[in-house]
Order: sequence, then C-alpha cells, then structure tokens
Amino acid sequence: AQTVTQSQPEMSVQEAETVTLSCTYDTSESNYYLFWYKQPPSRQMILVIRQEAYKQQNATENRFSVNFQKAAKSFSLKISDSQLGDTAMYFCAFRHYNQGGKLIFGQGTELSVKP
Amino acid sequence: ETGVTQSPTHLIKTRGQQVTLRCSSQSGHNTVSWYQQALGQGPQFIFQYYREEENGRGNFPPRFSGLQFPNYSSELNVNALELDDSALYLCASSLGTGDTDTQYFGPGTRLTVL
Repeated sequence: AQTVTQSQPEMSVQEAETVTLSCTYDTSESNYYLFWYKQPPSRQMILVIRQEAYKQQNATENRFSVNFQKAAKSFSLKISDSQLGDTAMYFCAFRHYNQGGKLIFGQGTELSVKP
Repeated sequence: ETGVTQSPTHLIKTRGQQVTLRCSSQSGHNTVSWYQQALGQGPQFIFQYYREEENGRGNFPPRFSGLQFPNYSSELNVNALELDDSALYLCASSLGTGDTDTQYFGPGTRLTVL
C-alpha cells in the first residue's frame, strides 16, 4: 500500500525568507502523481503544485517549486520569498496512475510565516 | 464560475444517529470525491462518484454511503454514527476521473458526534 510521510509537524519562517517542507512516500509503482496542497484556516484545500513521476524536470509555480527525487522517493516543497498569506497547513499527496480519485495524503506540516 | 460548495458548515449529532452531508460540484465537473479529515490528520479517501456511479472506495465501512444526482451534486450519508466519525468532511470535484483532472475542494462540513 502506498504511504506518504511528512516528518515536520510544524515549521516557521520569517517573511521574505525561503523554507523547504519535506515529504517522502512509499510505492512499488513507477507511474504516479505527487501534489502539494495548502489548507489555510478557512479549511479550503488549495492545490499548490503537482508533479508527474515520468517527468524528470521539477515543477515550479511562481514562488513554489519542488525537488522530486524519484529514486529516493522524496518530494520536497520550496517556498521562496515567503509571505504572511502562506501561513497554512501543507499536505503532500500521492495518486497512483489510472486511479483518478484516490488521493493519499500525508499528515501535514503546519507552516507559520512571521513578520 | 461557482466553486465547490458544501452544506451544512457545521453539524452536531449524537451517537447512533444518521447524517447527510451535501456537496455541489464546480460547474462542468461530473466527478465528486469525498474525504474524511480527523483533527490533526491528513484527509482520507472515502469514495468517488462518477456520472452517478460509485467509482472507487477507500477503507470505510458500509454505513458510509453516497449518492450522485443527475446535476452531479452529491450526498454523503453516515448511519449509526460513532464518536470517531467526528471530523471535517471534504468533497472535491473534478472534470473527470482522468489522470490530468485536478480535484478542487470545498470548504468542508465539520461534524461533531457527542
């Protein structure tokens, strides 16, 4: 069974600095998708970034980028120029290829951005 | 474009009761997935509905059931509520069940079972 592990329950960063959130996963499959979701206090889960396992190039979305290490089964999220609005729970999630519905989430990392 | 909406926002029930949660999918989306998020945990997949049929189920007992209507809105029903059912229930809609179909989440329903 696939599992997703986020080993950092809480992290904090100063505004404008860079922070990296860690995620590891376990799967025997070679085709899959990885995601980072953000859940602010409003509770609405928002997609931050996604990575297809068959792509070697790391995904980027503005200030957000990932470091995808397939052999190590590692998928970290880097947030550059942190903003107060980045304060939220961040969840790493896995989805197997051809299983469109079932996202498997980690336990989350609570990120606080301090002024 | 209207996003995913859920009702009610909060709900309090007692053990043994039944509850129905509702989800309206984003315009144009025919697929709805339901997740349970216990306090301090990541969401867990309950099941998915695609074009009114169940299309995959997680490790939840049969007392968790669902429906999808012709307009693609959906209901989650939980019978014989237990204290451990207290959680945030999230629904997510997507254009379809394909690999490129991103799931868009609603704000959730907070269920408390006393």
